[in-house]
Amino acid sequence: GAVVSQHPSRVICKSGTSVKIECRSLDFQATTMFWYRQFPKQSLMLMATSNEGSKATYEQGVEKDKFLINHASLTLSTLTVTSAHPEDSSFYICSAPGLTGATNEQFFGPGTRLTVL
Amino acid sequence: QKEVEQDPGPLSVPEGAIVSLNCTYSNSAFQYFMWYRQYSRKGPELLMYTYSSGNKEDGRFTAQVDKSSKYISLFIRDSQPSDSATYLCAMSRIKAAGNKLTFGGGTRVLVKP
Repeated sequence: GAVVSQHPSRVICKSGTSVKIECRSLDFQATTMFWYRQFPKQSLMLMATSNEGSKATYEQGVEKDKFLINHASLTLSTLTVTSAHPEDSSFYICSAPGLTGATNEQFFGPGTRLTVL
Repeated sequence: QKEVEQDPGPLSVPEGAIVSLNCTYSNSAFQYFMWYRQYSRKGPELLMYTYSSGNKEDGRFTAQVDKSSKYISLFIRDSQPSDSATYLCAMSRIKAAGNKLTFGGGTRVLVKP
């Protein structure tokens, strides 16, 4: 299956700082990627859809100025949490659709655990 | 009411038993159904992908879809301790690479040796 990587796997930062998380498709191109947030013992919550060459589409209730998404190339999308606060501490996961585009399977990265002190 | 409902568990079974998981949904437009397994602090991995109603088997895993009842199931035969994880159902309306998925809340499964 397709491989999606994320970097970093874990980050701890001070309140008020910005944190950038990278999502890469390693052996395929992805014009679309998805960003999710997951709190402990809860399911995945879709934050936004990242589109290569155009603006991201944010889900209702997600602050686009706080969670900046840039789909820089066909293999890289970044999520920047700006002016992070303790309530932004969570597990952030990205995904990319399947190789052929003929299905809507999604392949997930390993996730990034963000802790804001 | 959530679009997709899934019992959070935990579901505890002895090794070798059959694990039975299910999700119910309210949107009749869903046509594509998936099951993901997620180990603690890891990203989900795709286990099964099915379209419309019917059964699909892959090794120890069987996925069933009953669109008339808006009910999907995943069965794990001969369960192993390594099957201990959270299982998430997911579904979508159309078949397109950019189409977003709707997830259930996940069921935590514990297989005891």
